[in-house]
Order: sequence, then structure tokens, then C-alpha cells
Amino acid sequence: DAKTTQPPSMDCAEGRAANLPCNHSTISGNEYVYWYRQIHSQGPQYIIHGLKNNETNEMASLIITEDRKSSTLILPHATLRDTAVYYCIVRNTGNQFYFGTGTSLTVIP
Amino acid sequence: DVKVTQSSRYLVKRTGEKVFLECVQDMDHENMFWYRQDPGLGLRLIYFSYDVKMKEKGDIPEGYSVSREKKERFSLILESASTNQTSMYLCASRLGGAIGVSGYTFGSGTRLTVV
Repeated sequence: DAKTTQPPSMDCAEGRAANLPCNHSTISGNEYVYWYRQIHSQGPQYIIHGLKNNETNEMASLIITEDRKSSTLILPHATLRDTAVYYCIVRNTGNQFYFGTGTSLTVIP
Repeated sequence: DVKVTQSSRYLVKRTGEKVFLECVQDMDHENMFWYRQDPGLGLRLIYFSYDVKMKEKGDIPEGYSVSREKKERFSLILESASTNQTSMYLCASRLGGAIGVSGYTFGSGTRLTVV
């Protein structure tokens, strides 16, 4: 089963870029990498996903290494509202998501 | 936008009670999931369903059952609630089809306390 490893916590200054790393060394060739975030007391919210190429949307950018064994989520200008737990996810066998414990990002004023 | 609605935001139940947690989605998604979330343990999959009347065990199905009689509704049942089932319960749905392509949409969660 493809699993992910993330640092448990990170801080980022408001207005700066937040770079959240994720290792997924057992990912297989057709598995996508997804990122979700969970703000306190809410359900997880989709951010972005990718397969091989870097992706960008209105929320974030996703950089995937060429060997696909790791990726980085980039929030280009972090705000206080970006304080949340960020989950990097790959598909588990049976087409389920394995969430893990994520990275708790604190954006500091 | 897809909406996943969980019927209760907060519930308090007594030990031994039968508890029903309801989840409804409005976008004709085939797949539905129930997770529980506990501090330090992340989200853990309890049960999921690929379609009506289908169900599969997740990682921690013990003490739970599910029902999917209609496509839009996925119910989680605690047959005899126990205090170790106090947790945040999250429902999610997903369009079926190509593996890994479409993501999940989550409900806001039900915080269940068993006393």
C-alpha cells in the first residue's frame, strides 16, 4: 500500500510561502498524489492533485519530483486562514485514501 | 458544488444505545465512505460503499455496520455504543470511475460522545 510521510508540524510567517513536504516512496506509476486540508472542526477540503507534472490552481501549487517519490505543496502567500492540518494522500489498495496524521501548519502574524 | 450533509453536528448517546449516523450527498456519487478521526491517529476508514447495497470493510470496522439502500444515503450504525467510540465521524463521497482521478468531498463531521 502506498503510504505517505509528512512532518507533524510547521510554522510559516504570514505573507511568506509555505512549503509542505511529503514523501511517498512506494507510490506506483498510476497513483495520483492528492492534498487536502482540514481547518479545525470542519471536514477535510480538497486543495490540489497531480500525477507527474507540476500543477497550479487558485489555492496552491504542487511540485512532484521526477521520480515521484516526493512532492511539495506550496501556498505562495500564506494567510492566517491557511492555518490547518494538511494531508498528503495517495490511493490505498481498493481505491481508498490513506490519510495519515498530516502536517499541522501554523501561520504566524 | 457537491454537497455532503451529515445529519447531526453533535450527538451525545449512552453506552449500549444503538446509534445511527446519517450522510446524504446530492451529486449522484457512486462511492461513499465513513471515517473516524481521533487526536494523534488521523483519519481512519471504517466502511465504504462503491454502489447501492454494496459495502466493504475499511481498516477499523469492528463495532460498526453500514447501510446503503439508496445511492445518495450512507448510514453508519453503532450497534451498541461504547465509550471508545467517542470520536469525530466524517462522511465522504466520490464519483466512481478511473482509479485515483476524482477526489473526495467531505461532510462537516459529527462529533459523537458516548457517556
